[in-house]
Amino acid sequence: GQNIDQPTEMTATEGAIVQINCTYQTSGFNGLFWYQQHAGEAPTFLSYNVLDGLEEKGRFSSFLSRSKGYSYLLLKELQMKDSASYLCAARIVTTSGTYKYIFGTGTRLKVLA
Amino acid sequence: NAGVTQTPKFQVLKTGQSMTLQCAQDMNHEYMSWYRQDPGMGLRLIHYSVGAGITDQGEVPNGYNVSRSTTEDFPLRLLSAAPSQTSVYFCASSYSRRTGDYEQYFGPGTRLTVT
Repeated sequence: GQNIDQPTEMTATEGAIVQINCTYQTSGFNGLFWYQQHAGEAPTFLSYNVLDGLEEKGRFSSFLSRSKGYSYLLLKELQMKDSASYLCAARIVTTSGTYKYIFGTGTRLKVLA
Repeated sequence: NAGVTQTPKFQVLKTGQSMTLQCAQDMNHEYMSWYRQDPGMGLRLIHYSVGAGITDQGEVPNGYNVSRSTTEDFPLRLLSAAPSQTSVYFCASSYSRRTGDYEQYFGPGTRLTVT
């Protein structure tokens, strides 16, 4: 089966750094995506990794280790507007050679002043 | 570009009624997907399509039908609504041969309540 695990909730302080972990057990794994979702809104794309290593995009970085089935999203210089849910999603190659996406349950991040 | 649009934004149905949730994208994306999002369950894939005329089932397809007659449109049909289908439904599109990007763009969602 396909399984993706993330912590349910995290709390951090404005200006701090927070790391949100994601572990996955999937067949046909082909990449790991991170999305941000504010309450009542649609998810928006943050970052993705296909190869092992770190991808940096401003205050956000994402890391992937394919051998360990592990990824994390690092948020630096936290701002109040970063309070949101963060969704981890694996891209899976299907038996017919196409792609589909499986999501974790999301991590709700609260940033405190 | 409007991106991904969904209609309606809100809908209340009675058990047993049928309806179609509309989804359209203007980015010439090949892939389109339907998800439902329930509290504590994350996004679950209902059906997806990799091009016009091609659809496949996701994790929770029962009670839903899809078709993809054009690249732009991917409607989701509820055949006989049940209270268990109360959820927020998101449509997403991705992949353009021109850009090669696979990031998904999501519509604003349809909030469906079945009584």
